[in-house]
Amino acid sequence: AQKITQTQPGMFVQEKEAVTLDCTYDTSDPSYGLFWYKQPSSGEMIFLIYQGSYDQQNATEGRYSLNFQKARKSANLVISASQLGDSAMYFCAMREVRRGSQGNLIFGKGTKLSVKP
Amino acid sequence: SQTIHQWPATLVQPVGSPLSLECTVEGTSNPNLYWYRQAAGRGLQLLFYSVGIGQISSEVPQNLSASRPQDRQFILSSKKLLLSDSGFYLCAWSVGVGYSQPQHFGDGTRLSIL
Repeated sequence: AQKITQTQPGMFVQEKEAVTLDCTYDTSDPSYGLFWYKQPSSGEMIFLIYQGSYDQQNATEGRYSLNFQKARKSANLVISASQLGDSAMYFCAMREVRRGSQGNLIFGKGTKLSVKP
Repeated sequence: SQTIHQWPATLVQPVGSPLSLECTVEGTSNPNLYWYRQAAGRGLQLLFYSVGIGQISSEVPQNLSASRPQDRQFILSSKKLLLSDSGFYLCAWSVGVGYSQPQHFGDGTRLSIL
């Protein structure tokens, strides 16, 4: 079974509007971290935002916020006031701390976001 | 501040040739180091990780190997490349194994096998 599921292969958003990218995860570990990365066409993976499993508040970083619904096991990324430079692939990832895992990141398959002018 | 350098940026190699990709991290000590491969339009697959000099763990059986000769140096190698080794290779580092620590990535190497 997939650990990280991103159900939207592609998304379009109008410039200056907000967009939500979906991510659901599967774990039985009570301690885990959830991450979002942005990958522009140039290829580098850019860390955007982190949410810990024990965090009471939703994480925010500038125009990025994470809508964390623990009971539903979802960690959706919200980008407010979209800009043309936000066009990229977005990956959701989870880091568990299990015996033998060394806390490795598990990635979803990604969502390609295209921002329209 | 910490930086990660990965080279070369692009590489075209014939089938059967050897491979060496290098990754170095600056500004931190004893980082965890990782090699990932990304096939076109796909997510990332973890190939190797290392928690210290000479300590390498492999996630998937394959034609590749990794080495960590120095604390902040991570090398991905192959003796004979296969067509299936084509892809985008990313090196990453993190501090510790705590679940709150993000991994930080290099700019990647695009490897094409002819």
